[in-house]
Amino acid sequence: AQKITQTQPGMFVQEKEAVTLDCTYDTSDPSYGLFWYKQPSSGEMIFLIYQGSYDQQNATEGRYSLNFQKARKSANLVISASQLGDSAMYFCAMREGYNTDKLIFGTGTRLQVFP
Amino acid sequence: GAGVSQTPSNKVTEKGKYVELRCDPISGHTALYWYRQSLGQGPEFLIYFQGTGAADDSGLPNDRFFAVRPEGSVSTLKIQRTERGDSAVYLCASSPGVAGGPYEQYFGPGTRLTVT
Repeated sequence: AQKITQTQPGMFVQEKEAVTLDCTYDTSDPSYGLFWYKQPSSGEMIFLIYQGSYDQQNATEGRYSLNFQKARKSANLVISASQLGDSAMYFCAMREGYNTDKLIFGTGTRLQVFP
Repeated sequence: GAGVSQTPSNKVTEKGKYVELRCDPISGHTALYWYRQSLGQGPEFLIYFQGTGAADDSGLPNDRFFAVRPEGSVSTLKIQRTERGDSAVYLCASSPGVAGGPYEQYFGPGTRLTVT
């Protein structure tokens, strides 16, 4: 089974609007961390936001927020007030447990912001 | 400060040859990771170092792949007898903390390997 599932291969959003990128995960470990990364066409991976499995509140970082629904095993990324520079690939990733730091990535969602 | 650097940025090699890819992590970061990203896919974990030792090498696809980090800083990913299926972008990342922490991984620009 896929550990990280991103069902939206591509999304479009108009500038200044909000957009939600979906991510579901699968783990039996009670301790895990969820990450979102942005990968522009230049190729570098840019960290956006982190949510720990025991965190009581949803994570927020500027225009990025993570809609964490633990019972549903979903960790959707919400980008508010989209900007043209937000156009990129977005990857959801998970770290399982405390004994390893390896990240398991989804297949990504390509976001395109139009004027 | 300087980020994670990787050399070379591009490498073209013939099938069967040996290649080395180098990663220079952020100074002071104890953890170092190698991932491989094929076209249209997310990064796939290869190996993770904590200090000089490989803490998790479960992602190395076979014994043609080997990585070292002898002094706990620079790491080299070595691929023997390259195959066309090894063509991908090889990403290196580093992080400051111990396993299980909320530490993001800082990625380098990657090395694009093409095996002809």
